[in-house]
Amino acid sequence: EPEVTQTPSHQVTQMGQEVILRCVPISNHLYFYWYRQILGQKVEFLVSFYNNEISEKSEIFDDQFSVERPDGSNFTLKIRSTKLEDSAMYFCASSEIGGTEAFFGQGTRLTVV
Amino acid sequence: DQQVKQNSPSLSVQEGRISILNCDYTNSMFDYFLWYKKYPAEGPTFLISISSIKDKNEDGRFTVFLNKSAKHLSLHIVPSQPGDSAVYFCAASSGSARQLTFGSGTQLTVLP
Repeated sequence: EPEVTQTPSHQVTQMGQEVILRCVPISNHLYFYWYRQILGQKVEFLVSFYNNEISEKSEIFDDQFSVERPDGSNFTLKIRSTKLEDSAMYFCASSEIGGTEAFFGQGTRLTVV
Repeated sequence: DQQVKQNSPSLSVQEGRISILNCDYTNSMFDYFLWYKKYPAEGPTFLISISSIKDKNEDGRFTVFLNKSAKHLSLHIVPSQPGDSAVYFCAASSGSARQLTFGSGTQLTVLP
């Protein structure tokens, strides 16, 4: 069964450092998303991406964040200068062009120290 | 901002019985609702969805009911199995916006 894959599964970084979280969405999907879940809190929407541009973003997705689809298969989330409060599980998801159901990857646990 | 609320943080059910998980929403613009299941250290797994033009959708052991006037939906699992033990999230979206707004989740434990 096709699935969304994320790497790495766990990333530890020093405060102020840049991190790139990587995702390979399901191959025939055209919408891509990043969500995050801070420990003990809800899953929160960050950004959606379609046709090589951001289609929606939340207030969390500030100038520290950026997304890119550098080639035909990868979708990345970059955090330019990490803060302690960026520590969370980050989930990538994708959906078909006509579908609302988003399929999620297993997540990357980001720990900022 | 609690547009999607799951008021029960946990639920325990005996194997073979029915599990009923509840979700309330406040945003009347939501027109599509989904349930996800999540095991520890994994991402949310899509279970079942329902459009606001319907009041019921069934898929095997899973049935979702939508009461638009009450802004309430529920997920019924019958019969419940120990493998169903997980956190269940209710989520909603509106119109062409594809972002999902999630509830806080309910931990379901199915006792053998």
